[in-house]
Amino acid sequence: DAGVTQSPTHLIKTRGQQVTLRCSPKSGHDTVSWYQQALGQGPQFIFQYYEEEERQRGNFPDRFSGHQFPNYSSELNVNALLLGDSALYLCASSLSDLSNQPQHFGDGTRLSIL
Amino acid sequence: ILNVEQSPQSLHVQEGDSTNFTCSFPSSNFYALHWYRWETAKSPEALFVMTLNGDEKKKGRISATLNTKEGYSYLYIKGSQPEDSATYLCAFTGGGADGLTFGKGTHLIIQP
Repeated sequence: DAGVTQSPTHLIKTRGQQVTLRCSPKSGHDTVSWYQQALGQGPQFIFQYYEEEERQRGNFPDRFSGHQFPNYSSELNVNALLLGDSALYLCASSLSDLSNQPQHFGDGTRLSIL
Repeated sequence: ILNVEQSPQSLHVQEGDSTNFTCSFPSSNFYALHWYRWETAKSPEALFVMTLNGDEKKKGRISATLNTKEGYSYLYIKGSQPEDSATYLCAFTGGGADGLTFGKGTHLIIQP
């Protein structure tokens, strides 16, 4: 039973570019959440997708957008990259959009902006 | 902006000793409190999700308590082992479908 998988593992981009990160949820899960973890900080909630819609959003600008596909997999897109976007991006899946469900995390994508 | 504080930031414990650390969160509009263990080079692993005031949960040598009225949760590890070395994260949520607000974590190192 595959857990949460994320791709790519590492990515290097330059300022102003655009990036797409991908996530496949754990089998049986229908909800995907994305988090950004900067150095020395806890993960910060970006947004959550359920039934192919963005259900909740954290305090992130519109440069951060996402999508959920009918098979529940998800993408995180970031436009006009800034140096401050360098971080570990974590995807988590859960059984429902209710936040009393444990989140199952992937290994993350390490994004470096030069 | 919600504030979730964890203390201490880091902790060195001798193998075999017991230890505990704290997560503080807003006491109003509580919905759930999560604990995760994050070992180096692995993904965060869910330990507990707690929803009721006074709740106590246990998983092997690890247990957690919850006080929603005063806004804190304790995580206890009994008889620490080297494999307990990890960062322990707590996360608070105030609504049914809200995202989680994480603390910065407690970095635990077990010394043989």
